[in-house]
Amino acid sequence: QKEVEQNSGPLSVPEGAIASLNCTYSDRGSQSFFWYRQYSGKSPELIMFIYSNGDKEDGRFTAQLNKASQYVSLLIRDSQPSDSATYLCAVYNTNAGKSTFGDGTTLTVKP
Amino acid sequence: ETGVTQTPRHLVMGMTNKKSLKCEQHLGHNAMYWYKQSAKKPLELMFVYSLEERVENNSVPSRFSPECPNSSHLFLHLHTLQPEDSALYLCASSRGGLAGSNEQFFGPGTRLTVL
Repeated sequence: QKEVEQNSGPLSVPEGAIASLNCTYSDRGSQSFFWYRQYSGKSPELIMFIYSNGDKEDGRFTAQLNKASQYVSLLIRDSQPSDSATYLCAVYNTNAGKSTFGDGTTLTVKP
Repeated sequence: ETGVTQTPRHLVMGMTNKKSLKCEQHLGHNAMYWYKQSAKKPLELMFVYSLEERVENNSVPSRFSPECPNSSHLFLHLHTLQPEDSALYLCASSRGGLAGSNEQFFGPGTRLTVL
């Protein structure tokens, strides 16, 4: 079992729809959770981070964290073609100084 | 110049060559990281340097040697690499270091090809 699992892609949604990206993790000591966006041929860029259970909203992006279920998600509302990219989930265990990335989910938003 | 910069952006080397990758961060961060990203594989953390200590992934071969002379500069020295080492090498920095929030900011990467 992978330490960080993301929903297998590719994920395709029509423009204007909600894209839902999911991530589960196995390390219960994980304390920080990050979503990165990576365009093809580019390096990852941080778009959201969350530390506490519940929802965190930033513009069209909402991160949701449920530590009991070891689950973190990213919702993208009103999806745009420019959102088409690979989204990486990363979890961090501060005590262990350990950072683990998922394989990524490729999202395509069709006009 | 701002953010995290990496040089060179592209590098082609033979298996007997010795080369170095350079990373510089202009964000005032306290920790720097080297990652390897191969095709269709997740990011692999290779090394971490923070004010407190150096952490390395024990699976990284000794032909990769990091150097961190100060909190703003990070090098990755390469020698006798293998073709399977061809990948995108990404540098990142973060404010908090190993005990912090670890919100990492990535450089543009060096695309390495080993012939």
